Amino acid sequence: QQQVKQSPQSLIVQKGGISIINCAYENTAFDYFPWYQQFPGKGPALLIAIRPDVSEKKEGRFTISFNKSAKQFSLHIMDSQPGDSATYFCAASISGTYKYIFGTGTRLKVLA
Amino acid sequence: DTEVTQTPKHLVMGMTNKKSLKCEQHMGHRAMYWYKQKAKKPPELMFVYSYEKLSINESVPSRFSPECPNSSLLNLHLHALQPEDSALYLCASSRLAGGSYEQYFGPGTRLTVT
Repeated sequence: QQQVKQSPQSLIVQKGGISIINCAYENTAFDYFPWYQQFPGKGPALLIAIRPDVSEKKEGRFTISFNKSAKQFSLHIMDSQPGDSATYFCAASISGTYKYIFGTGTRLKVLA
Repeated sequence: DTEVTQTPKHLVMGMTNKKSLKCEQHMGHRAMYWYKQKAKKPPELMFVYSYEKLSINESVPSRFSPECPNSSLLNLHLHALQPEDSALYLCASSRLAGGSYEQYFGPGTRLTVT
């Protein structure tokens, strides 16, 4: 019940296209859902995060869509660029517990 | 400023060596974390400090010894490591209150145990 399932494992998108990464969870106590971007040899960088009281959050080209009833959330990268090529991790947390449950990661490659 | 710094960037050590990893943040965060990350895997939580006290130890072997000298610094002391301990070691920090618990990660220390 503590798992966060992430798909796809890898994704190839043409420049200018939309990249979509999905995550699903079981534990309804989770109330914070961040997305991280990680380049090779670097630490994860917080991209965007959402709480269950909103269904969508947008920051620039990055959008999180959240479906509370389905216990799913997804990251959409609009107008994908080669510089977006990285590994993306979703995560889920319960406020105050300090612990993130990470998804398994998605390796995104955007072709020029 | 959302920067967490870590030193060294790379470390190669033998199985009998003693070394330390260092982490620093100046965001006023009172929670600090150590993670271990293997290639193509998500970060795995090792330790959490809150208000400079150890809050969580995820059953980490005693050859890893954390220390939090003050609210800005976090160390990880390494002794008698095994080759399978080779990984990227990440430090992170976060606030403890206010509704947002974003964890900010440092760039990591790439550790190789020979």
